[in-house]
Formats: sequence, structure tokens, C-alpha cells
Amino acid sequence: ETGVTQTPRHLVMGMTNKKSLKCEQHLGHNAMYWYKQSAKKPLELMFVYSLEERVENNSVPSRFSPECPNSSHLFLHLHTLQPEDSALYLCASSQEKTAGATSAPLHFGNGTRLTVT
Amino acid sequence: AQSVAQPEDQVNVAEGNPLTVKCTYSVSGNPYLFWYVQYPNRGLQFLLKYITGDNLVKGSYGFEAEFNKSQTSFHLKKPSALVSDSALYFCAVSVSRNLVFGKGTRLSVIA
Repeated sequence: ETGVTQTPRHLVMGMTNKKSLKCEQHLGHNAMYWYKQSAKKPLELMFVYSLEERVENNSVPSRFSPECPNSSHLFLHLHTLQPEDSALYLCASSQEKTAGATSAPLHFGNGTRLTVT
Repeated sequence: AQSVAQPEDQVNVAEGNPLTVKCTYSVSGNPYLFWYVQYPNRGLQFLLKYITGDNLVKGSYGFEAEFNKSQTSFHLKKPSALVSDSALYFCAVSVSRNLVFGKGTRLSVIA
């Protein structure tokens, strides 16, 4: 077990569906992240919740909407997705000490494999 | 802008031989550098990091990495490769809140 649990492991959805990805961390960390992993591309940071602030990648489309109700749970709400959004979505957590550069290792979940048809 | 380059998509090495997975970076300021490994159908696992101090960093599973400021490199090494080391390896750099990853290098260790 990694300490970071993602559900579901696999998700197939149509372009008109609404679904949510869930992430829960059991490590007592204070920062959580969503990454997108596509074939032959670098991991793309989508959203960060850290030290009570939210940081987002401005290139992420509005059809992706994060929610972080507390320090242990993170959601990614999906609506009207496109086929190019098919990818592995990874959640991660870390224990950050300051608001500066990320120096703590990230602990990743096993991801949700999303297929948009 | 910070960036990371992993010049090799694939590295093949015979079991028992030393291995090197290359990484170069471009940042303004002092970088925090990381290596992660990803096994099939898994998330990434942290291997080691360089923050400051000794340029040779030792990590999990017998891996080590050497920080070279003049060459802006942070190559991952292991003296003797195992078949079980076969996986996807990612180098990453952090200067601001964003951790930037390389595209990854697939390591195949052949028995």
C-alpha cells in the first residue's frame, strides 16, 4: 500500500458524462496534487492544494474541477471531456514545511486510468 | 522557466552491469532534484533527492545520483543492475511550488 488511495482504478466515460475521481491520503500530509500522465509526455501538474492555498496550471481546461474538502481528501470532477483527456490521472501528497519550493518527496497513488469515448 | 531533459527514451543493460540514467536540468536559482521510479500499473515511487550538501546522494534499492552543478546534471546510477530494476524512471526539478518532471527513461535489465 502506498498510503495514497485512488478510486476508481479504471473509468470509461462518454463525452457528455459527469464523473469524479477520488483520492485519499493516510499519511498526515498537508499538500495534495493532481497530475496527468499521457503516453510519451512529461507528467503534467494540474492542481496543488498546499498550506491552505490552491495553485493551478493555467493550461488545464475548465472541464476539470478540483475539490479539496480537507487535508486528507482530494477530488477531480470531470464533465464534458474530450477523447484527448484519456490518460492516467495520478494523485500525490507531501508534507511541505514552507511556502517555497517543493522539497519533500511526493507520495503517489496508483492512479485512475481514464478513457473518454 | 525550469525544465528537465532525459535524453534517452530507453536504456538497456545486462544484469550485473552498472547502469546510468541521464538527466540534465535548466533552472534559475538553486534546484531541488529528485528521481522517481514507476513500475507497471503503479504510481511513481520516490527514489532519492538532492537539496544541498554532498553531491553524491544515496537512495532506495541501491541507487545513487550525482549532482553536477557545472554540467547541470543529476544522473542516476547503480553499480550492479537487477532484472527487477526494469521500470520507467523520472527525473524532476523543483524551484517554485511546481515539480517539473522529465519525459521518463525506460530501463530494461536483461538477464
